[in-house]
Amino acid sequence: DAGVIQSPRHEVTEMGQEVTLRCKPISGHDYLFWYRQTMMRGLELLIYFNNNVPIDDSGMPEDRFSAKMPNASFSTLKIQPSEPRDSAVYFCATSGPRGDGLAGGPSEQFFGPGTRLTVL
Amino acid sequence: QKEVEQDPGPLSVPEGAIVSLNCTYSNSAFQYFMWYRQYSRKGPELLMYTYSSGNKEDGRFTAQVDKSSKYISLFIRDSQPSDSATYLCAMSAITQGGSEKLVFGKGTKLTVNP
Repeated sequence: DAGVIQSPRHEVTEMGQEVTLRCKPISGHDYLFWYRQTMMRGLELLIYFNNNVPIDDSGMPEDRFSAKMPNASFSTLKIQPSEPRDSAVYFCATSGPRGDGLAGGPSEQFFGPGTRLTVL
Repeated sequence: QKEVEQDPGPLSVPEGAIVSLNCTYSNSAFQYFMWYRQYSRKGPELLMYTYSSGNKEDGRFTAQVDKSSKYISLFIRDSQPSDSATYLCAMSAITQGGSEKLVFGKGTKLTVNP
């Protein structure tokens, strides 16, 4: 398996523009997480899905952020309109059912390479 | 108070040194305690996890949990330049719906100098 695939790897845009980040999960994983990482705040969970259904979006900072998972193979995180303070690295991570792969333990989350977003 | 606190460092040590990385937490509901390693410009990767108080060893790495003090540690013996990375602690609790949510520390950037 190629692992979690994210695109684009880098995005530079101007304030006010719409930004769409994409994620292809590992086949068979039914949990998908979107994180944002900054120096100031570290790695923060924005939203996660189980079987394509959003479970918890309490980390989404504002209405400008939205996420969708139309099928088991694809998810998007959209920012509209973008602002300079949205500049960060955005990670997608996926995992199988709880305990899957880690005997008696938690679900291991597999992270993609991230999208480095710069909003000018 | 944040749920998980981690000193961001940076930490710089000579090759062969013993490294100690630590996190504290406030949420008693956390059940699993993990350490992720993140190389520059990459996504985090799971390094180790523990469930109960005590020590867990994996090669040069030892994870320690003290639930009474809400304190976890990662020790690296005989540190190598290839250990240079950011180490993030992470903790999880099972929600009522049976799913898991991870809460991460900010990460400690470690450099091991040859």
